[in-house]
Order: sequence, then structure tokens, then C-alpha cells
Amino acid sequence: EAQVTQNPRYLITVTGKKLTVTCSQNMNHEYMSWYRQDPGLGLRQIYYSMNVEVTDKGDVPEGYKVSRKEKRNFPLILESPSPNQTSLYFCASSQKGTAYGYTFGSGTRLTVV
Amino acid sequence: DAKTTQPPSMDCAEGRAANLPCNHSTISGNEYVYWYRQIHSQGPQYIIHGLKNNETNEMASLIITEDRKSSTLILPHATLRDTAVYYCIVRVAYSGYALNFGKGTSLLVTP
Repeated sequence: EAQVTQNPRYLITVTGKKLTVTCSQNMNHEYMSWYRQDPGLGLRQIYYSMNVEVTDKGDVPEGYKVSRKEKRNFPLILESPSPNQTSLYFCASSQKGTAYGYTFGSGTRLTVV
Repeated sequence: DAKTTQPPSMDCAEGRAANLPCNHSTISGNEYVYWYRQIHSQGPQYIIHGLKNNETNEMASLIITEDRKSSTLILPHATLRDTAVYYCIVRVAYSGYALNFGKGTSLLVTP
């Protein structure tokens, strides 16, 4: 089944403890992206990647890092999480080219205490 | 990307057609109309997209006015599982930039 897989689905962590949220897609998509969703603020893009080794900042990149060493994986790294990064995170991927829709993962609910 | 305007909420009886409107009066010639939906904190789901012509797939139909300033997403036979927030997004075809989800329309399908 074509899908975007995120792990973990739920995570509670403490301030300052580095964590990684993994994202993997099995559709050979060139484009991948991370979003966070917060009440009243909607979905906001954190980082995106147009292809392997090519990443760029989205609208809210502060406090996050990403890497794209291989096509299928696009991990989101929080080097020193803070409570304001408590949010619902989604990874998305898309095929390069014309007007394809994005495929989203099921989400990771992160709580930083 | 062009800005869109959608009603905040709509109701629809199960089995009836749900018609969700979207205004995008500042749309550019190379911008597509996309529709996504999000069912209660699940990942957004792509539904359909179009440029000029009306489009239909297994989920829905998309009607775009001739001047492209508005569109309507049609769910022909709404079910309770179609209860979700529906987002109309206007953007160029392939861009790294963020999808601007806005606030969308909260559709409630009732028995």
C-alpha cells in the first residue's frame, strides 16, 4: 500500500532531550515536507525537501532540523525541544512534476513537558 | 498563492449531495484548485484538483466556474464518514512552498 509512515504516533518528552520523528514514504516521491498543526493556527510548514540532499525552510523552521540522505526518508529532528513545540506533526510527500496531490502521514502527537 | 474564502461550516443529510463552495477571485492563470479534507486530527487527505475543466474521481466532483473565480466540491452521496474539515487551496502545480490550508469548511453529515 502506498503510504507515508511516521513514527512514533505519540511521544511525551522533557525539555531539552533531543528527539527524532521519522518519516518514510514508499512511493518514490521526490518531494517531502513537514507540517505542524496547532489549534487556531492551522497547518504550518516547517521544512521541505525537493529531492535528496536538497532541503529548505518553511514558514516555522526555528528549533527544527531535517535531513534527506535518501529519497524515502525525511526525519524531523528537535535538538533541544521546548514546550512551545508541543504540537501535532504531519509528514507529506508528493511526486515531482505536474499537479499531483500530497500524501500525508497519520501524524505524530508530541508533548514536551 | 491566491487566497481562498470558504464558509466556516455546513450541514448535509446522509445520502444527499454535499456542495462545498470556495471563492478564489485572485487566482492566477497557472494556479490549480486543490481540495483536501481532514477527519479529526488525522493526516489531511487529498481529494481532487483542477485547472479549468470540471473534474471527477471516485471521491468527488470539482466544478470550476468559467472565469475560475470560484469552485464547488461535490460529494454526490455524503456518508457519516465524510464528516471532516474541507480545505480549498489554490496554488501553482509543483512548488516547495507550503500548502495554505486556511480554516476550511467544517462539514457535518447527519443521519
